[in-house]
Amino acid sequence: DVKVTQSSRYLVKRTGEKVFLECVQDMDHENMFWYRQDPGLGLRLIYFSYDVKMKEKGDIPEGYSVSREKKERFSLILESASTNQTSMYLCASRLPGGGDYGYTFGSGTRLTVV
Amino acid sequence: GNSVTQMEGPVTLSEEAFLTINCTYTATGYPSLFWYVQYPGEGLQLLLKATKADDKGSNKGFEATYRKETTSFHLEKGSVQVSDSAVYFCALSPISSGSARQLTFGSGTQLTVLP
Repeated sequence: DVKVTQSSRYLVKRTGEKVFLECVQDMDHENMFWYRQDPGLGLRLIYFSYDVKMKEKGDIPEGYSVSREKKERFSLILESASTNQTSMYLCASRLPGGGDYGYTFGSGTRLTVV
Repeated sequence: GNSVTQMEGPVTLSEEAFLTINCTYTATGYPSLFWYVQYPGEGLQLLLKATKADDKGSNKGFEATYRKETTSFHLEKGSVQVSDSAVYFCALSPISSGSARQLTFGSGTQLTVLP
């Protein structure tokens, strides 16, 4: 089975800190995604990457950046954390090419910014 | 564009009750359809999928049939258990590749099963 590992389950950071959320997958998937999940708002796509060093903005990229230096690792960066970035962050990966392939998700990182 | 509409929650059932969570979609062509489940404090897990019309996906007693005539993919289970308490997400994947690489998710339906 494909495994997607997020480095932290729970994280508490201070306002203004630079925060790195790490995600690693072990099945050579080209496509990787970062979502945030908030009550009443569902899943919102922040950024995704379809290859090494490639990235595309999702629906809510403001205040975030990403890095994909190696195929297996996709990092989400909060340049200067703010309290409105307190959320559950979910990483996912997927084979390319379309229809038949769903996502494999990590367990999520619950980030609290104080 | 693509969209997924899910039944509003929360849904509360007694153990052994019949479950239906409605899902309808809007998409060009015939997308692949998925149900994901999220247990408390966890990420999402793929529950079942269907990739073409009239396909039935099934797993752990859950079933969903891809109905192109009604653009629906309703989730059903004949007898729910307390352990089925979770949030359920319906999702679609467009048939084409290229830039449309991401899934479109519904808003999720919270299910609580009481003993």
